[in-house]
Amino acid sequence: GAGVSQTPSNKVTEKGKYVELRCDPISGHTALYWYRQSLGQGPEFLIYFQGTGAADDSGLPNDRFFAVRPEGSVSTLKIQRTERGDSAVYLCASSFKWNTGELFFGEGSRLTVL
Amino acid sequence: AQTVTQSQPEMSVQEAETVTLSCTYDTSESDYYLFWYKQPPSRQMILVIRQEAYKQQNATENRFSVNFQKAAKSFSLKISDSQLGDAAMYFCAYRSDSNYQLIWGAGTKLIIKP
Repeated sequence: GAGVSQTPSNKVTEKGKYVELRCDPISGHTALYWYRQSLGQGPEFLIYFQGTGAADDSGLPNDRFFAVRPEGSVSTLKIQRTERGDSAVYLCASSFKWNTGELFFGEGSRLTVL
Repeated sequence: AQTVTQSQPEMSVQEAETVTLSCTYDTSESDYYLFWYKQPPSRQMILVIRQEAYKQQNATENRFSVNFQKAAKSFSLKISDSQLGDAAMYFCAYRSDSNYQLIWGAGTKLIIKP
């Protein structure tokens, strides 16, 4: 597609449920990033993929969070046993290379855990 | 650790006037990049302007310009001839030359009065 696509746009779930958030980056972009933006704050880094591998997952808050990018394109962020504190906008971005060019962001997935 | 501070939670300006948004940062590194991103209600982060720390000349993009003071670790954004479409959250962000993570400020909400 022309831009970074994220689905779903909004997700409401109950505490304890499992959630998957999908990111489809710009074609040809090898670098993919997930950020989390809580209400009234700037984004916080979660994980960075270079190709298929997670080059840096140091921002994932705990082991309930996991992300994959099996074919080096689409990525899925997975959250197990969701908690109310997981409520946030999850932003995905891609770039051609991590150290050159601009990051292109999707419109985010707003997760609400009741 | 690097930090980015935006001390203005909200700013307002009359349409066609000029407004300046403030940003300060803290780093011990000498090579880095600074960014201003715009986030409209659609949630998509859009790059407004970018500054390389090694460049003394301030970056400009049409009506947007920055005042980069490296010694003072200050990076303000000036918007000239403000337009209704400029209304959004504005985020200042920092990236080290040797890292891919963006460090973000908390944002400034810009209101344009018609």
